[in-house]
Amino acid sequence: DTAVSQTPKYLVTQMGNDKSIKCEQNLGHDTMYWYKQDSKKFLKIMFSYNNKELIINETVPNRFSPKSPDKAHLNLHINSLELGDSAVYFCASSQGDSSYNEQFFGPGTRLTVL
Amino acid sequence: GQSLEQPSEVTAVEGAIVQINCTYQTSGFYGLSWYQQHDGGAPTFLSYNGLDGLEETGRFSSFLSRSDSYGYLLLQELQMKDSASYFCALNTYSSASKIIFGSGTRLSIRP
Repeated sequence: DTAVSQTPKYLVTQMGNDKSIKCEQNLGHDTMYWYKQDSKKFLKIMFSYNNKELIINETVPNRFSPKSPDKAHLNLHINSLELGDSAVYFCASSQGDSSYNEQFFGPGTRLTVL
Repeated sequence: GQSLEQPSEVTAVEGAIVQINCTYQTSGFYGLSWYQQHDGGAPTFLSYNGLDGLEETGRFSSFLSRSDSYGYLLLQELQMKDSASYFCALNTYSSASKIIFGSGTRLSIRP
């Protein structure tokens, strides 16, 4: 009964490739997020969707494109991967789009770009 | 801008008490949250302070002082499993309602 799941857990790829990370939550939450955690463990919001509508779009390269087919899923597609994209990407969800709502994180996807 | 500062590392002894401090700058926020992250794991929510004062949850307590732009996480009766990184986070409402995380404090517990 996993709450927030992500696939794949590990992703190793070459520079210039395109890859996707999938996220699903079974908590019935209406808001989902993508975070990037770099090698120094700095955790930064990238995107947020509320009921399939984009509500937060931080300054990230437009090579990153989120997609929410329904409120239980939020996928992240990355085009033309670069070395600097190597990081752990966390999906999260919350009930409500206010920042005081507790966020539940997925296990993370460790992306390594060679 | 909005930012948080917390110590990068803290070491404590098993069974002892440790306090992790967090200072912040913000233009508007609902409160201060704390998250725990074990190596290789996901951040997990520990506590939230929307009002000034102390919130207690078992061995963990968190404190907020809006006038001092300061908060802390207090961990009592430390156990080896408490070795992890701890993040304070601003629950903001300016521009977009989002969480801004501090850089994390790595807590190491010695036997």
